[in-house]
Amino acid sequence: KAGVTQTPRYLIKTRGQQVTLSCSPISGHRSVSWYQQTPGQGLQFLFEYFSETQRNKGNFPGRFSGRQFSNSRSEMNVSTLELGDSALYLCASSRPGLAVYHEQFFGPGTRLTVL
Amino acid sequence: GNSVTQMEGPVTLSEEAFLTINCTYTATGYPSLFWYVQYPGEGLQLLLKATKADDKGSNKGFEATYRKETTSFHLEKGSVQVSDSAVYFCALPSGGTSYGKLTFGQGTILTVHP
Repeated sequence: KAGVTQTPRYLIKTRGQQVTLSCSPISGHRSVSWYQQTPGQGLQFLFEYFSETQRNKGNFPGRFSGRQFSNSRSEMNVSTLELGDSALYLCASSRPGLAVYHEQFFGPGTRLTVL
Repeated sequence: GNSVTQMEGPVTLSEEAFLTINCTYTATGYPSLFWYVQYPGEGLQLLLKATKADDKGSNKGFEATYRKETTSFHLEKGSVQVSDSAVYFCALPSGGTSYGKLTFGQGTILTVHP
């Protein structure tokens, strides 16, 4: 079974631009979560989607948004990029219909650099 | 919500040495506990898990026991290899209705020298 895939793997943008990151979960997984990883803050939760609905959101500004499609693929968007948005963005998927707190399977991440 | 405190590193060992990375948690009830590993330039991989008290998770020579008395889930390996060099994260569900959110420790950088 294929793992979680994320595209692109690397991205370089300049301040003020916007960016869209994509995540394809493991087949059959309907929950997709997004995390931001930085050396200073560690792993921080952005949001979670299940059946095209955002069920949970972390403490990030409104510039960070996401969505999920009917095939469970998810995208996240960051508008008006700031230097501090430089990070590794990780997507994780988990199985549907079971306990809320099931284990998560992570993709390789998208490395975003904002210049 | 639930929280986790992880021994911070870095940890530097010689090949074949014994490894312990401490992890303690605070949680409502008895949530599942996880150890994830991140190799350079990669995402997180689930290393092992335990879903109830006294469970022992194991994988690739690593072990961790879910101890409710001490609220701990320490990671151990009897003989580390250079290829074990990575960052290790202890994690648990954040609790309540916090769907799809894991709370992670700060991570422990392990470096193994030949």
